Amino acid sequence: GQQVMQIPQYQHVQEGEDFTTYCNSSTTLSNIQWYKQRPGGHPVFLIQLVKSGEVKKQKRLTFQFGEAKKNSSLHITATQTTDVGTYFCADGSSNTGKLIFGQGTTLQVKP
Amino acid sequence: NAGVMQNPRHLVRRRGQEARLRCSPMKGHSHVYWYRQLPEEGLKFMVYLQKENIIDESGMPKERFSAEFPKEGPSILRIQQVVRGDSAAYFCASSPADRGYGDTQYFGPGTRLTVL
Repeated sequence: GQQVMQIPQYQHVQEGEDFTTYCNSSTTLSNIQWYKQRPGGHPVFLIQLVKSGEVKKQKRLTFQFGEAKKNSSLHITATQTTDVGTYFCADGSSNTGKLIFGQGTTLQVKP
Repeated sequence: NAGVMQNPRHLVRRRGQEARLRCSPMKGHSHVYWYRQLPEEGLKFMVYLQKENIIDESGMPKERFSAEFPKEGPSILRIQQVVRGDSAAYFCASSPADRGYGDTQYFGPGTRLTVL
């Protein structure tokens, strides 16, 4: 079935360093969504990308959707301890609205 | 505006018992999705419901699991004769009606099910 691969699985950075997580699909995506889940918490919607080559920014977070709409990335500039958590990409292409989640990238930030 | 509500937040069951998980969507939302998250794993889609209808249950195990979203009241995910492998966090998400695919989903706090 449809799969979304996300790498890396874990990332440990020093506070102030940058962080990037990548999401790849074997098929073209109509849209991709990004969620953040804090330890012990629930997924919280961050953003949705729908256009080929789209780039969106939220403060220190930059989201990109590939030209072929098969990959996406989330980049965090100058990480802070509040960025700790697991970041998931999700394929929202299904006509029933269900989300197919990547495995997530867990970010640890050392102060 | 209250968010998605789930209860109970934590549920402990012994093997063979039944687990009933409840989800009240956000006000004005008529689409409900259930996802399961095993420890250290991502979220897996289980079922998508609208009021009184199951739209997509392609992620539901064939046996012991059922879901409903009645005309009145919360959506219920029911697990009969639980086994240890059912231990997981179960998240409900809701989205507004009429926008179709790609709609933002708002997640509830989840129910952490532990099967002893």
